[in-house]
Order: sequence, then structure tokens, then C-alpha cells
Amino acid sequence: KAGVTQTPRYLIKTRGQQVTLSCSPISGHRSVSWYQQTPGQGLQFLFEYFSETQRNKGNFPGRFSGRQFSNSRSEMNVSTLELGDSALYLCASSLGDWTQYFGPGTRLLVL
Amino acid sequence: DAKTTQPNSMESNEEEPVHLPCNHSTISGTDYIHWYRQLPSQGPEYVIHGLTSNVNNRMASLAIAEDRKSSTLILHRATLRDAAVYYCILMGTPGQGAQKLVFGQGTRLTINP
Repeated sequence: KAGVTQTPRYLIKTRGQQVTLSCSPISGHRSVSWYQQTPGQGLQFLFEYFSETQRNKGNFPGRFSGRQFSNSRSEMNVSTLELGDSALYLCASSLGDWTQYFGPGTRLLVL
Repeated sequence: DAKTTQPNSMESNEEEPVHLPCNHSTISGTDYIHWYRQLPSQGPEYVIHGLTSNVNNRMASLAIAEDRKSSTLILHRATLRDAAVYYCILMGTPGQGAQKLVFGQGTRLTINP
């Protein structure tokens, strides 16, 4: 079975731009979660989607948004990028139980 | 979210056992103890989880204190591939709501050849 895939793997943007990251979960997984990882703050939960509905949201500003499609693929969008948004963005999928399977991440650099 | 406390770093030698401690004194009765690890340049990966009894799988063993206020992840024979950051995380019962992993700083495990 293919693992969680994330595209693109690397991205460079400038302040003020917006960015969309994509995540394809493991086949059959309906839950997709997003996390941000920075050296200073570590791994932080952004939000989780299950069957196209956002079930949980972390403490991030409204510039961070996401959605899930009927095939369980998910996208995350960050608008009006700031330098502090530079991070590794990780997506994880789950069958709905507790085990989450992480993708390799998208490394975003904001200049 | 219930909090966990882990040492920042630990070091061990290859082919020796490693015991990674985790304190979770505010754990609730329905919290499961999960361990994930993150190898360099990769996303985290699930290692093991448990509720009250000790657990074993092909990767590791989890020893849970009788009062559940602490646990220990045991790698029986560490290899260089086990060098990673190990996270101890508490999670509620599955199927009862949203999925959310609350990561602490974890323990950075170094394995010496």
C-alpha cells in the first residue's frame, strides 16, 4: 500500500504570497491531519479533517485553512505568508483510530 | 491536553538496550500512552501504544507503571537506525472525536557505534 504523499516537497515563497500544499492519504484512510514543525515551536497541530469536515483545529491564525475532498485528499492553504511561516508542514492520515501515518512533509521557505 | 515530560536527550551504544522514560502525572483514566519517533529528515512514525498493561511489538516494548503516572519505552537492542527523536503522547479513546497528537519536545536518542 502506498504511504502518505505530499506535494510539493519543497517550496520557496515571498512574504505576502499565498501557498497551497497537498496531501494524499493512504488508501482507505478518511482522517487527515496537518502539523507544522519549526525548530523553535516543535511539532504543532494545525487541523484535522474527517469525511470532508474539519473536526479539530489548533491555535493558528485564520490565515491557515484547509479542506478535504470526497476522495479524502486534503489541501492546506496559507494566505499572506509571513517569515515565521517557514516550516516543515506534515500531513498524517488515519483510519480513524489512534495510529497516524505521516508523510515526508513539505518544506516551505518564506523569504 | 494532559502533559508529558521527557528528558531532552539520551545516549546509548549499539546493540545495548535503551530505556526511554516518560512522566505523565496528570494522565486521565481514559488516556492511552502513545510513542512516536521521528528519524532525521522524515515525518514521525508510530512506535507503540498502551493503556495499562505492558505491550510488546516488533519495534519496542512499553512498560507502564501501576499508577500510570509514568511509562518507559524499551528498545531491546538499539541499532544506529534507532537514532531519532522519541515522543511520548497521551491520546483519548479512538472513535470518540477528533484526532490530535500533542507533541512535546521529545527525547533525542543518540546511538554510538
